[in-house]
Amino acid sequence: EVQLVESGGGLVQPGGSLRLSCVASGFTFSAYEMDWVRQAPGKGLEWVSYIGSRTTNTRYYADSVKGRFTISRDNARNSLYLQMDSLRPDDTAVYYCAREEWWGVPGGFDFWGQGTLVTVSS
Amino acid sequence: EIVLTQSPDTLSLSPGERVTLSCRASQSVGSYLAWYQQKPGQAPRLLIYDASNRAIGIPARFGGSGSGTDFTLTISSLEPEDFAVYYCQQRRNWPITFGPGTKLEIK
Repeated sequence: EVQLVESGGGLVQPGGSLRLSCVASGFTFSAYEMDWVRQAPGKGLEWVSYIGSRTTNTRYYADSVKGRFTISRDNARNSLYLQMDSLRPDDTAVYYCAREEWWGVPGGFDFWGQGTLVTVSS
Repeated sequence: EIVLTQSPDTLSLSPGERVTLSCRASQSVGSYLAWYQQKPGQAPRLLIYDASNRAIGIPARFGGSGSGTDFTLTISSLEPEDFAVYYCQQRRNWPITFGPGTKLEIK
């Protein structure tokens, strides 16, 4: 059974840092591209960041987090990370990790974690 | 950035009815469009990928169509568990973007 379990969320002051983790199980983690998606309270979904699979370490970021957030992965630990620095109140959201499937064409985010809440407030 | 617009914002319907949700892209995304369902307190669930392909385990009452800039998600006969928020998402260009969502509520 595919599972993605996020952790690391919490309350942090503006300007602070947090590191989110996502542990994957039930599939060959290294073979999959992975993303972080967030959702502010009562709002819609916002894509945050992408990291390629073992064949490529390509990374992309939303403009809203570029230069402040860093995505990484440790395939030996089946883990995805999001280092968040210089946090702002508008970064407050539930952060989901999500697996990207490909069927020769983009297959969507087919599995999601349960999410971890990040609250940026003084 | 490709902007996705969804309509309507909210739709009030009854179980058993047929519904069509719309997603329009600001520029062509080809067929690289997915649809998700999200219920309160839950993570999104993939319904449709590549515009018209049902994800694994998705009931046949869900269907997607369209290409280029105009897409639709159709639910042929609403079940009580289908009342939720629906999002479209494009994977054609970076950044990946989502539409603002359509809330489907029980009439």
